[in-house]
Amino acid sequence: AQSVTQPDIHITVSEGASLELRCNYSYGATPYLFWYVQSPGQGLQLLLKYFSGDTLVQGIKGFEAEFKRSQSSFNLRKPSVHWSDAAEYFCAVGAWGGSQGNLIFGKGTKLSVKP
Amino acid sequence: GAGVSQSPSNKVTEKGKDVELRCDPISGHTALYWYRQRLGQGLEFLIYFQGNSAPDKSGLPSDRFSAERTGESVSTLTIQRTQQEDSAVYLCASSRGTPGETQYFGPGTRLLVL
Repeated sequence: AQSVTQPDIHITVSEGASLELRCNYSYGATPYLFWYVQSPGQGLQLLLKYFSGDTLVQGIKGFEAEFKRSQSSFNLRKPSVHWSDAAEYFCAVGAWGGSQGNLIFGKGTKLSVKP
Repeated sequence: GAGVSQSPSNKVTEKGKDVELRCDPISGHTALYWYRQRLGQGLEFLIYFQGNSAPDKSGLPSDRFSAERTGESVSTLTIQRTQQEDSAVYLCASSRGTPGETQYFGPGTRLLVL
């Protein structure tokens, strides 16, 4: 069965520091992978997605993620964090096959940013 | 449309009552999804509609939950005889329906069952 693991429940980084949020997935075929961000009181916004081609994917707000098939990982990175990046981040895998079209989400990583 | 809209934004109900949650997808999106997000948790898939195909109901937690969609328009999620454990944010998303297409999420309906 497909699954997504985000090992870090809560991460705190200083403003200006680099960030890496971890995501591991379990999927039987080439996955479609997504990172979404949920700010307090806001809906989910897509940061980036991967399903083929270059394994390093660029997204909005200066985020990038790298697909590593050998490690079943899709970690999210940002070189310099801004206070406005404080939010909850969700990794998801697309469960396409048969009648399924939904996303399988990880439990999320809450990011806090210290001034 | 501008985006996925959901109503109501908040709903407080008493245990045992029925509730209906509404989702208006982006115009032209053939796929529509319902998810549930409990406090501090990730999103749980509930149900998926794709065009005129039979919906994928594999995520519905019990027979108290049902959903309908007319064509490629509005969807309604109904919870009968609500329980306190149904308290959550119910999120709707829509997409163009092909694999890899981005799912666009609505703001959610926050349901509180007293």
